[in-house]
Amino acid sequence: DTEVTQTPKHLVMGMTNKKSLKCEQHMGHRAMYWYKQKAKKPPELMFVYSYEKLSINESVPSRFSPECPNSSLLNLHLHALQPEDSALYLCASSHWRLGTADYEQYFGPGTRLTVT
Amino acid sequence: DQQVKQNSPSLSVQEGRISILNCDYTNSMFDYFLWYKKYPAEGPTFLISISSIKDKNEDGRFTVFLNKSAKHLSLHIVPSQPGDSAVYFCAASLNAGGTSYGKLTFGQGTILTVHP
Repeated sequence: DTEVTQTPKHLVMGMTNKKSLKCEQHMGHRAMYWYKQKAKKPPELMFVYSYEKLSINESVPSRFSPECPNSSLLNLHLHALQPEDSALYLCASSHWRLGTADYEQYFGPGTRLTVT
Repeated sequence: DQQVKQNSPSLSVQEGRISILNCDYTNSMFDYFLWYKKYPAEGPTFLISISSIKDKNEDGRFTVFLNKSAKHLSLHIVPSQPGDSAVYFCAASLNAGGTSYGKLTFGQGTILTVHP
């Protein structure tokens, strides 16, 4: 199984809503990532988890709250988002070897988020 | 500051011919480079990679060349096929003694169209 799954595929939410994005992998990867991708732009790293602990937060606003409840799951909790947060949110995972993450990351299909 | 740049937004090639996608970088500390392919409504898929200690890596129809002195890498696809039509992202990683947690810096992407 070399798949990273993400749910939902599409999400429309108002600025006062609370919602969550979910990511799952069963490849035994111990590094998991959230990226944000705006139209015609490259993916931008938001968070990195290694062994279920937050390792990198790329100065992401607190209205985005990541959570890694176990080695297979990664969530992104959303609250009080702004319209400019509308984007494709990608989850990725990779192996962790010899004290560092593998460079090759496996990506999910993403969640297309629209904030109204 | 765009540390990884793909200066050609698009490339159009005839089936069977060679496709050459280019990528430039500014950070001389990058030590690993990757190419990802992305179809619409899917996440990026890892294609091929190269370590900074090499100047060429080949995998089937795909070859990546690295010119460290010029801070330039290229992806050659020979022969090109219509199924290769996608967005291609160049990415770079900085291991920094194992503390990078696999952080990738992506270029803006090049849309490749292979015509039958």
